Amino acid sequence: DIQMTQFPSSLSPSVGDRVNITCRASQTIYIYLNWYQGKPGKAPKLLISAASRLQNGVPSRFSGSGSGTDFTLSISSLQPEDFATFYCQQSYSPPYTFGQGTKLEMK
Amino acid sequence: QVQLVHSGAEVKKPGASVKVSCKGSGYTFSAHYMNWVRQAPGQGLEWMGWINPSSGDTLYAQKFHGRVTMTRETSISTVYMELSSLSSDDTAVYYCALSLRAAADAFDIWGQGTMVTVSS
Repeated sequence: DIQMTQFPSSLSPSVGDRVNITCRASQTIYIYLNWYQGKPGKAPKLLISAASRLQNGVPSRFSGSGSGTDFTLSISSLQPEDFATFYCQQSYSPPYTFGQGTKLEMK
Repeated sequence: QVQLVHSGAEVKKPGASVKVSCKGSGYTFSAHYMNWVRQAPGQGLEWMGWINPSSGDTLYAQKFHGRVTMTRETSISTVYMELSSLSSDDTAVYYCALSLRAAADAFDIWGQGTMVTVSS
């Protein structure tokens, strides 16, 4: 199975900060890397697919980069509604493993 | 619009089985694999497997082999996930999810989830 490691596991940024979240795969997954936002009581929401493709309706402050084994989700200017948990997921080879999540908490 | 609608919450005793349904609408049901993902309280996301609604073929994560069965009823655009030999570790929200328009088979459509509680 492909292991997905996210870091940091938690962050306490301020509104307006730039945030970077890293995801590393245990073997190459090319660009089969997706990012989801999770909020309590709601289904996860797809933000970015194929490493860098922003989903329709997702604010442009979100961006994704990387290929191979190392990937980054960036939020250029954090907004209050962005405090949530973010997960990476590889869709290269089943089982389609997720990272353990990065929780953004208000200071 | 495209929707995945789950069956309601379940409470089960240890050792029992649970069967959760997910009904699709607004898209061609048989054209998209349906995945099942679960999330235990306070924990992350865990992919359980998928079913091809057209053929009925399934692929399960090794962790659930022998305990999970995914089936479908194409006449009513519904997939089912049955999990047996439940323990408290299976207490979680169970989601169906599919890749409709997203690249890299990412899951862009999710159901609202079904809470399964396992408790004696």
